[in-house]
Amino acid sequence: AQKVTQAQTEISVVEKEDVTLDCVYETRDTTYYLFWYKQPPSGELVFLIRRNSFDEQNEISGRYSWNFQKSTSSFNFTITASQVVDSAVYFCALGKTTGANNLFFGTGTRLTVIP
Amino acid sequence: NAGVTQTPKFRILKIGQSMTLQCAQDMNHNYMYWYRQDPGMGLKLIYYSVGAGITDKGEVPNGYNVSRSTTEDFPLRLELAAPSQTSVYFCASSDGRVSNQPQHFGDGTRLSIL
Repeated sequence: AQKVTQAQTEISVVEKEDVTLDCVYETRDTTYYLFWYKQPPSGELVFLIRRNSFDEQNEISGRYSWNFQKSTSSFNFTITASQVVDSAVYFCALGKTTGANNLFFGTGTRLTVIP
Repeated sequence: NAGVTQTPKFRILKIGQSMTLQCAQDMNHNYMYWYRQDPGMGLKLIYYSVGAGITDKGEVPNGYNVSRSTTEDFPLRLELAAPSQTSVYFCASSDGRVSNQPQHFGDGTRLSIL
């Protein structure tokens, strides 16, 4: 069974602080993909990153970075020097590598950045 | 640069009414999906399609039907609306010809059943 747990329901930080969003997943598959999506207040879903289970290298994109640790089944997301525009709900998702690539989503973490 | 287009954006239905949520994509993606997002929850898969004429159930298919007669369109049908179907519905598409490409989402349809 596929399962994604985002234990942090809501997080508030003051602008310019760093913040880490946690994601823990469960799967019996030996290969899989992990994703992060952003849902701003306007409601659309914005793709942020995809990571193959073979690739455990951390990734940095501007103020965003991702830490994938297969040993702990975690795929955490860090925003450095947070900005008000980062306020959104962030979803972690797990995808299979075969078939229709259906995604299993966590329940999301609502991040509020206070100016 | 349309991407995935969902109509309508908002709709209120009475219990027992039926309606079709429209979804169209212009990226020539062969995979399409319907998800629902209940308040404070993540998205759950209703139905998906890997190509025209092929559909399959996801995690929560009860009360819904789909069809895929063309690559571009993937409508979702509610036959007898129930209050439990009050949700935000998202359509998505992806290019299944390349392994696990990210899904591109529409802006959602907010549906209330009263």
